[in-house]
Amino acid sequence: KNQVEQSPQSLIILEGKNCTLQCNYTVSPFSNLRWYKQDTGRGPVSLTIMTFSENTKSNGRYTATLDADTKQSSLHITASQLSDSASYICVVVTGNQFYFGTGTSLTVIP
Amino acid sequence: DSGVTQTPKHLITATGQRVTLRCSPRSGDLSVYWYQQSLDQGLQFLIQYYNGEERAKGNILERFSAQQFPDLHSELNLSSLELGDSALYFCASSPPPAGGWGELFFGEGSRLTVL
Repeated sequence: KNQVEQSPQSLIILEGKNCTLQCNYTVSPFSNLRWYKQDTGRGPVSLTIMTFSENTKSNGRYTATLDADTKQSSLHITASQLSDSASYICVVVTGNQFYFGTGTSLTVIP
Repeated sequence: DSGVTQTPKHLITATGQRVTLRCSPRSGDLSVYWYQQSLDQGLQFLIQYYNGEERAKGNILERFSAQQFPDLHSELNLSSLELGDSALYFCASSPPPAGGWGELFFGEGSRLTVL
């Protein structure tokens, strides 16, 4: 069964600290993996898209990694800011199907 | 602003009623996706249209239906509403070609509350 699991479910960190969010998937065959940021009550916004051949991709303070062999991805946030408080969703794509994780809720506190 | 417009932003209705949610995709995008997000739940794929044709179907209830019109806007119809249908409904659009390689651009959602 194609599944995307994210951990932790929620996370609280101090402003300025780094954090790493995890995504494990069983989706096959693999086309690409995406990370989205969703502010409360808003639509998700894309952070990164990674294909099979990419193992690292950065977007500002966000760095995503992908290990297609172990079917794991991570999203590392550097020097967190209050505006990083949001839900971060991992999406794995196969063909025309998008499989969404349930997200990690990140809260950054002053 | 993603360029995807959804209306209405908020909707409150009673059980048993019918509502229509509307989505206008970004200019040039041919694919429209509908998703349901219940409280503290992940996004659940409902249905996809590409250039007016149904392309893929997810866990969409028989009480729900959708269509994409010649001008590419899409409508999601929800009927015989139940309390459990209360959720955020998101529309996303994607540029051609159809498939899983295009970027998904999400609207701001329509929040449906069924009382």
